[in-house]
Amino acid sequence: QSALTQPPSASGSPGQSVTISCTGTSSDVGGNNYVSWYQQHPGKAPKLMIYEVNKRPSGVPDRFSGSKSGNTASLTVSGLQAEDEADYYCSSNAGSNNWMFGGGTKLTVL
Amino acid sequence: QLQLQESGPGLVKPSETLSLICTVSGGSIRSSSYYWGWIRQPPGKGLEWIGNVYYSGVTYYNPSLKSRVTISVDTSKNHFSLKLNSVTPADTAVYYCARLDCSSTSCLFDYWGQGTLVTVSS
Repeated sequence: QSALTQPPSASGSPGQSVTISCTGTSSDVGGNNYVSWYQQHPGKAPKLMIYEVNKRPSGVPDRFSGSKSGNTASLTVSGLQAEDEADYYCSSNAGSNNWMFGGGTKLTVL
Repeated sequence: QLQLQESGPGLVKPSETLSLICTVSGGSIRSSSYYWGWIRQPPGKGLEWIGNVYYSGVTYYNPSLKSRVTISVDTSKNHFSLKLNSVTPADTAVYYCARLDCSSTSCLFDYWGQGTLVTVSS
């Protein structure tokens, strides 16, 4: 199975909004709502930021939001802050208990 | 607070078997709502799901690794294990264990171990 497709990089200035896309197929992203987003700082484990397309775990700022249209999911970070600079990965169920991750997007806060 | 901790050799020779254990503390591995998984990340690259195990021992594997992977669970020790055989340098990665929570309307990897680097080299 191939990884979900994400842009390698994204950037924005403090206070701006940035959207990161995650494209799959009707067998994964487009076929269920088990889409999650993870934030990873260098040398750290991934941290769950969004689950079930657009839900935030407790403690995640509401600056982070998720959406989905067809086979593409998106993560939007509004009001960019310096600490948002990290790698972001999407994940989706790909049928039964089979999971896929995106290739990752490096978010730079200019 | 649930914690997961990976342990095992940091260096494995090519063609040999990589073996890791993930010890779960602060909660029981026997819960009916959770699966326990392994995910890896080669240096400078993205995440790759390896597989999951349920406390009953039922397993699910990434099709691309299925022929070389075995994941098992030991409920008496509250830990689960990963074995990857016939390793090559391409298997060099940080290996994470994580909990897959399917207790609500969704499934999500909500708790992760800190990760352990395994290098495949002679």
